[in-house]
Amino acid sequence: SAVISQKPSRDICQRGTSLTIQCQVDSQVTMMFWYRQQPGQSLTLIATANQGSEATYESGFVIDKFPISRPNLTFSTLTVSNMSPEDSSIYLCSVESLRAAAGQFFGPGTRLTVL
Amino acid sequence: QKEVEQNSGPLSVPEGAIASLNCTYSDRGSQSFFWYRQYSGKSPELIMFIYSNGDKEDGRFTAQLNKASQYVSLLIRDSQPSDSATYLCAVNDDKIIFGKGTRLHILP
Repeated sequence: SAVISQKPSRDICQRGTSLTIQCQVDSQVTMMFWYRQQPGQSLTLIATANQGSEATYESGFVIDKFPISRPNLTFSTLTVSNMSPEDSSIYLCSVESLRAAAGQFFGPGTRLTVL
Repeated sequence: QKEVEQNSGPLSVPEGAIASLNCTYSDRGSQSFFWYRQYSGKSPELIMFIYSNGDKEDGRFTAQLNKASQYVSLLIRDSQPSDSATYLCAVNDDKIIFGKGTRLHILP
């Protein structure tokens, strides 16, 4: 399985500011995924990040609010823009296993609190 | 809307017993099925995947799939306190959809 790291591991931010979360993988992967897990809830896919193309966003998520970069095959960033307390959540990046049918592996997550 | 349903629990099981976790899904066309374990404050960890009807065993874990009933389960034999966690069922069609998870508590 891939080794995935995320920075920062946690942050406390003020309303109206933006935070960029970094995700680094130890091997080249085609697709990277960004999820949100709100307290007591399951995982919700925000977007799929492909290298060299625009990210694909799920219903309810827009690029202006969650811009994503994917400059190469081992790195991606997710920015949470103009934050409000409702954005308080854990943000996780993930990658597919070498065999897509064998599931995804998750990074350690970024715990975001917006005051 | 495609859905994955799990009982939220908590499910309390005595140490050494079998824990049985269940999941149903709405999309009959789903092809791959996963179980993730998530400890409090940690990210999900993939523990099993299955895509053929029947049972798949890996150590103390057995995943069971019944596509006709749209049902997938996870059995944990000889439950240990370290198995206490939230177990997420996930189903892959064109993307992975997660259930809300079942909290499992193994009683020492």
